[in-house]
Amino acid sequence: DIQMTQSPSTLSASVGDRVTITCRASQSIGNWLAWYQQKPGKAPKVLIYKASNLENGVPSRFSGSGSGTDFTLTISTLQPDDFAAYYCQEYSTYYTFGQGTKLQIK
Amino acid sequence: EVQLVESGGGLVQPGGSQRLSCVASGFIFSSYWMFWVRQAPGKGLEWVSRINLDGRDTPYADSVKGRFTISRDNAKNTLYLQMNSLRAEDTGVYYCATVGRTGILAYWGQGTLVTVSS
Repeated sequence: DIQMTQSPSTLSASVGDRVTITCRASQSIGNWLAWYQQKPGKAPKVLIYKASNLENGVPSRFSGSGSGTDFTLTISTLQPDDFAAYYCQEYSTYYTFGQGTKLQIK
Repeated sequence: EVQLVESGGGLVQPGGSQRLSCVASGFIFSSYWMFWVRQAPGKGLEWVSRINLDGRDTPYADSVKGRFTISRDNAKNTLYLQMNSLRAEDTGVYYCATVGRTGILAYWGQGTLVTVSS
């Protein structure tokens, strides 16, 4: 089975910062990679699909890149609403999630 | 509008069983794969299982294989998760979800909490 490894587990940043979260697959998944945002008590929300495609309605400060085994999610200018948990997910096989990154206020 | 409404959560003793349901509306249920995803308290998301259109292809996470069974009733627009031999580590919020036009989990229910404890 494919394993997804995210880093860092926790990220402290300030409003206005540029942040990057990485996700590594244990084997090549092409570009079958999605990113989700989750806020406490809520279901996850799709941000990015197929590694670099922005879901409808998602602000352009979010971007994704990568292919094969290495991927990144970048938030160009952090806004107060962006402090949340972020998950990568492969959907080439069983829709496995990474362990998550908690983005918190510094 | 796509809606997914889970039910069936609650408190169950270790070794016990529970059946979760997810009623779907707003889309052609029989035309979409369906998923169960869970989240232990304070932890990350874990894919549990997936079911194809006719219910014959049902992979499971290793953590639940042999104990959980996913099924669907396309006539009732309902997804199920039968959970047997429950353990404390099965405690968490269980979400049903389905794919959108992009093939990812675009639609989620509100979740139902399962607590396994004596």
